[in-house]
Amino acid sequence: GAVVSQHPSWVICKSGTSVKIECRSLDFQATTMFWYRQFPKQSLMLMATSNEGSKATYEQGVEKDKFLINHASLTLSTLTVTSAHPEDSSFYICSASHRGDGLAYEQYFGPGTRLTVT
Amino acid sequence: GQSLEQPSEVTAVEGAIVQINCTYQTSGFYGLSWYQQHDGGAPTFLSYNALDGLEETGRFSSFLSRSDSYGYLLLQELQMKDSASYFCAVKGENAGNMLTFGGGTRLMVKP
Repeated sequence: GAVVSQHPSWVICKSGTSVKIECRSLDFQATTMFWYRQFPKQSLMLMATSNEGSKATYEQGVEKDKFLINHASLTLSTLTVTSAHPEDSSFYICSASHRGDGLAYEQYFGPGTRLTVT
Repeated sequence: GQSLEQPSEVTAVEGAIVQINCTYQTSGFYGLSWYQQHDGGAPTFLSYNALDGLEETGRFSSFLSRSDSYGYLLLQELQMKDSASYFCAVKGENAGNMLTFGGGTRLMVKP
């Protein structure tokens, strides 16, 4: 149980275009989903916390107009990288918690999406 | 805010025991988690400590000392497949389900 999927697993796009990444919890309802960015051999940097039915909470330094997050249902959150630039190339990973009471200590991670902007 | 420190790299041989330390500074603390990530893969949950002491799960054990703001992950009977990055993560009080991750320790297991 507690499987999280991401789509696509990798994507190459041209500068200036937008890319949408989907994160789905397959066998549980995820009140909260998290979006991370990871550069090679570095740690997971939290970008935003996505709550179903409400606006995402962005970490300091993350542009909310560039990284649009939508959590339309309890099983789906999307991250859209708008007007992508080469510096946005990275590994984007989502995770989900299945508890809505703030007591969850385990996050279930998706397989990640490798974005390359040319 | 929260900050966590762990060694960047550790090398060990097959069959050996290795300990990966993690020290943290937090404005509030609820528990310490450990995650494993193989290159190109997703992080997977290994263990969680909310109370002082040792938690054992097979070859892996995790320890926490709240008074020292310190924990470690112990890997026994190392196997080649244990080569991966290991992250400690703190769950802060009033942080909901959010985790703050350490920089990660890259473990290389040699024959």
